[in-house]
Amino acid sequence: EIVLTQSPGTLSVSPGERATLSCRASQSVSSRYLAWYRQKPGQAPRLLIYDASRRATGIPDRFSGSGSRTDFTLTISRLEPEDFAVYYCQQYGSSPRTFGQGTKVEIK
Amino acid sequence: EVQLLESGGGLVQPGGSLRLSCTASGFTFRIYGMNWVRQAPGKGLEWVSGISGGGRTTDYADSVKGRVTISRDNSKNTLFLQLNSLRADDTGVYYCAKDLGTSWNEESFDVWGQGTMVTVSS
Repeated sequence: EIVLTQSPGTLSVSPGERATLSCRASQSVSSRYLAWYRQKPGQAPRLLIYDASRRATGIPDRFSGSGSRTDFTLTISRLEPEDFAVYYCQQYGSSPRTFGQGTKVEIK
Repeated sequence: EVQLLESGGGLVQPGGSLRLSCTASGFTFRIYGMNWVRQAPGKGLEWVSGISGGGRTTDYADSVKGRVTISRDNSKNTLFLQLNSLRADDTGVYYCAKDLGTSWNEESFDVWGQGTMVTVSS
């Protein structure tokens, strides 16, 4: 099983600033099969990025993903109020399709 | 509009059973793999099980293997999760989620339901 470790656990950022989230895998993630989700309180997760760097339908370009093998990054260029939430990475290159433990982005 | 709607959650005693359903609309259900993902209160996401579009291939997390069965009825656009021998640590919100593409077991999840709560307690 591939274990995903996200850092930091909590990120304090001011609105309009940049946020950089990290996701490290215990083994290489095949074919860059890595996704990022945002989950607001009381809501289901929403797909932001898939295949490490492709934006999902309707996702604004302030969200970008990068990385390969074991190290991946989600960057939010200018934080909007709706971006203060919890973010999860997920690998889907091997079973089970594991999630990271999450990074909470809070208002500074 | 693409939509998933779960039902069937509730309070059940340890050792009991529950059957969750997820009704899909707005897309060609039969060609997409489907999944169940759960979230314990205040915790992160855990993939539970997945099934291919035709229903012939299934996959389970080790934590539920042998106690859970995933199935689907493509004539009714409905996904199921049969939960047996339930334990306290099965408590949480259960989401159904659709594969983004049609490559079974190599897909992220682009559509999620609102979730159904399962509480295992005496």
